[in-house]
Amino acid sequence: QKEVEQDPGPLSVPEGAIVSLNCTYSNSAFQYFMWYRQYSRKGPELLMYTYSSGNKEDGRFTAQVDKSSKYISLFIRDSQPSDSATYLCAMSALIRGSTLGRLYFGRGTQLTVWP
Amino acid sequence: GAVVSQHPSRVICKSGTSVKIECRSLDFQATTMFWYRQFPKQSLMLMATSNEGSKATYEQGVEKDKFLINHASLTLSTLTVTSAHPEDSSFYICSARPSGRGTEAFFGQGTRLTVV
Repeated sequence: QKEVEQDPGPLSVPEGAIVSLNCTYSNSAFQYFMWYRQYSRKGPELLMYTYSSGNKEDGRFTAQVDKSSKYISLFIRDSQPSDSATYLCAMSALIRGSTLGRLYFGRGTQLTVWP
Repeated sequence: GAVVSQHPSRVICKSGTSVKIECRSLDFQATTMFWYRQFPKQSLMLMATSNEGSKATYEQGVEKDKFLINHASLTLSTLTVTSAHPEDSSFYICSARPSGRGTEAFFGQGTRLTVV
């Protein structure tokens, strides 16, 4: 079983739709959760960063973490064609007590928002 | 803030030559930098973790003599692909973690390497 599972899509929605992207994970030690957006042939761009369980909102984006279910989500409201990209979830844990470990990535979900 | 500059963005080289890719954190210090490789429509594959002033930690299956990593300062890490072969053609991406700022990591723009 992979550390992080993410449906690769592709996902295609009309402009204005609410988009829901999800990842599940197996390592209960993960405490730090991130969502990245990657446009074609570009490096990933950090969208949201969340520590432990709960919700975080930033403009049209909302990140949710449910540690009990080992499930994280990213919601995009009022989606725009410019949101068309690949969205990668990533997570990390502390190792050896206080040292920050590496990031574990999902495969990425390819999203297309059509006008 | 939190800008990571990666250079070059694209490079074509002949088989057998070496290529150096630079990763710079422009507005923060990064004790730790990461190097990834990404194949088309695939996620990022971690190659190695580099810590300033010490040897890089390579992931299983990554040849350390082929992919030389140097992290000589808190703002610069380099990846050198030695004796490149066509199968080394890929998209290489670096990321940098700001010192003392949690686990966020910021990515460079990536380098498209083509070995002919």
